[in-house]
Amino acid sequence: DIQMTQSPSSLSASVGDRVTISCRASSTVDTYLNWYQQKPGRAPKLLIYATSTLQSGVPPRFSGTGSGSDFTLTISCLQSEDFATYYCQQSYTTPGTFGQGTRLEIK
Amino acid sequence: EVQLVQSGAEVKKPGESLKISCKGSGYSFSNSWIGWVRQMPGEGLEWMGIIYPGDSDTRYSPSFQGQVTISADKSINTAYLRWSSLKASDTATYYCARLSSWFGAYYFDYWGQGTLVSVSS
Repeated sequence: DIQMTQSPSSLSASVGDRVTISCRASSTVDTYLNWYQQKPGRAPKLLIYATSTLQSGVPPRFSGTGSGSDFTLTISCLQSEDFATYYCQQSYTTPGTFGQGTRLEIK
Repeated sequence: EVQLVQSGAEVKKPGESLKISCKGSGYSFSNSWIGWVRQMPGEGLEWMGIIYPGDSDTRYSPSFQGQVTISADKSINTAYLRWSSLKASDTATYYCARLSSWFGAYYFDYWGQGTLVSVSS
């Protein structure tokens, strides 16, 4: 299995901040990398697929970059509703492994 | 509107069997892969496996192969996750999700609401 490692595991930030979450794969996943947002007690929500394509309805303050084994999710101007846990996931091979998650908390 | 509606929470004892369901609507159920994802209490997401309801082609994560059975009944647009003998460590929330594709990229774009399975003696 490809291992996905996110950093940091948790992050404190304020409304209006720009935050970056990293995701590293143990081997190349090309550009087959997705990002999800999960709020407590809720199902995950797809934010970005194929590294940088925003899912319909996702605000443009979210963006993704990367290729190969290193990827980044950036939130350009944090809003209160963005405080949640974020997961990366590779879909290059099965099983489509997830990162361990990054919890984004209010400072 | 695409919807995935899962069966309700379950409380079971170790050794019991269980089958939970996920009913899709608003899209061609037979022609889209459906996946199952586990989330243990306070933990992250784990990819369990996927099934193509059209022909029941199924792929499992090695971590879950032999531990669960994924199936689907395309006549009623429903996917299933089954355990023959539950363990306490199966306590988790289980999500189904539709697997979509775009130029070879695959992603879970619609998710069920989750089914909480509690296993305790």
